[in-house]
Amino acid sequence: EIVMTQSPATLSVSPGERATLSCRTSQSVNSNLAWYQHKPGQAPRLLIYGASTRATGAPARFSGSGSGTEFTLTISNLQSEDFALYYCQQFHNWPLAFGGGTKVEIK
Amino acid sequence: EVQLVESGGGLVQPGGSLRLSCAASGFTFSKSWMSWVRQAPGKGLEWVANIKPDGGEQYYVDSVKGRFTISRDNVKSSLYLQVNSLRAEDTAVYYCARDVVVITAAHYFDSWGQGTLVTVSS
Repeated sequence: EIVMTQSPATLSVSPGERATLSCRTSQSVNSNLAWYQHKPGQAPRLLIYGASTRATGAPARFSGSGSGTEFTLTISNLQSEDFALYYCQQFHNWPLAFGGGTKVEIK
Repeated sequence: EVQLVESGGGLVQPGGSLRLSCAASGFTFSKSWMSWVRQAPGKGLEWVANIKPDGGEQYYVDSVKGRFTISRDNVKSSLYLQVNSLRAEDTAVYYCARDVVVITAAHYFDSWGQGTLVTVSS
């Protein structure tokens, strides 16, 4: 079973700044990694799949990078609507697994 | 527009049962793998189960095997999760999600519902 570790747990950022979120997997998942945004009371939203491909409708300020065991989600020029929880998910092995999440909050 | 609307959650005693439903629209449901994903209070997301488009294969996370059953009705474009022998640790918001299948066993989720809350408590 692949263990997913996201860091930091909470990230305080000012609007207009850049946020860098990390996701680490306990074994290589190649590029089989997705990122989701989740706001309370709403449906989670796919942002990135294949480690770096933006999903339909995801703004260009969201970018993903990495492969193997180390991945990064970067949010440039943070907007008010970007303050939320972010989860990574590996789809390399069963069971499908999510990280514990990073909360991006207003500084 | 893809829409997934869950229902059927509620308060249930330990050992009890519920049947969760997910009504799908805006896409060809009968051609899509579908999943249930849950989020316990203060915790992250956890994939629970998924089902092949024709309903012929189902997969579960170990913690729910033998207690939960995923099923579907392609005529009604509906997904179900029968949850039995409920435990306090099953308390969570349960989301219905559409799988994107990259290759066999490589699934992520491109559409989600807003969830239905299951609370297991005496």
